[in-house]
Amino acid sequence: DQQVKQNSPSLSVQEGRISILNCDYTNSMFDYFLWYKKYPAEGPTFLISISSIKDKNEDGRFTVFLNKSAKHLSLHIVPSQPGDSAVYFCAASRGSTSGTYKYIFGTGTRLKVLA
Amino acid sequence: NAGVTQTPKFRVLKTGQSMTLLCAQDMNHEYMYWYRQDPGMGLRLIHYSVGEGTTAKGEVPDGYNVSRLKKQNFLLGLESAAPSQTSVYFCASRHLAVGYNEQFFGPGTRLTVL
Repeated sequence: DQQVKQNSPSLSVQEGRISILNCDYTNSMFDYFLWYKKYPAEGPTFLISISSIKDKNEDGRFTVFLNKSAKHLSLHIVPSQPGDSAVYFCAASRGSTSGTYKYIFGTGTRLKVLA
Repeated sequence: NAGVTQTPKFRVLKTGQSMTLLCAQDMNHEYMYWYRQDPGMGLRLIHYSVGEGTTAKGEVPDGYNVSRLKKQNFLLGLESAAPSQTSVYFCASRHLAVGYNEQFFGPGTRLTVL
């Protein structure tokens, strides 16, 4: 049972336009969400995150929106640049009473920004 | 700061052979993780550790063992490799404190089991 889903395996966007990557989750106990970016032959790198007490977080060209009632989050990249071409993973975590934090990752969306 | 490093970068094993993957971090992080990435499956947690001398199972722990004898190192062992363990393995670490939720990943180890 996949608790974090990224239903679009790939996305192509023209340079300068907005890229919107989507992520759905099933576990209402998740309280923190993260987006990672991954280039080929490299490890994922952290991009942006959001706590469940917020519905939006912005960092430069990147904005993450959280809709708790729909159990949905999205990453907006504006404007998209060719260097943004990568695989994007969303991840969700739930703090336990012992303070350990495990992360559940989605399957990733490959973004291609066309020059 | 080297961040998170993984050794080796590539390895080919025959079925039944054993090996150990080494992860090292120089950020004094308490938490360390081992993931595997397979096509269409995303990143799946194998084992993790919340501190020196402690380990716990993740989503897909079967066939793997881990040890955290030193805070900066997290070892992943395959006792008897199987073709199903062909994958890219990533190690990650993060700070203990609440609010520091970002994980830092290593560059990965590509393992092929024939």
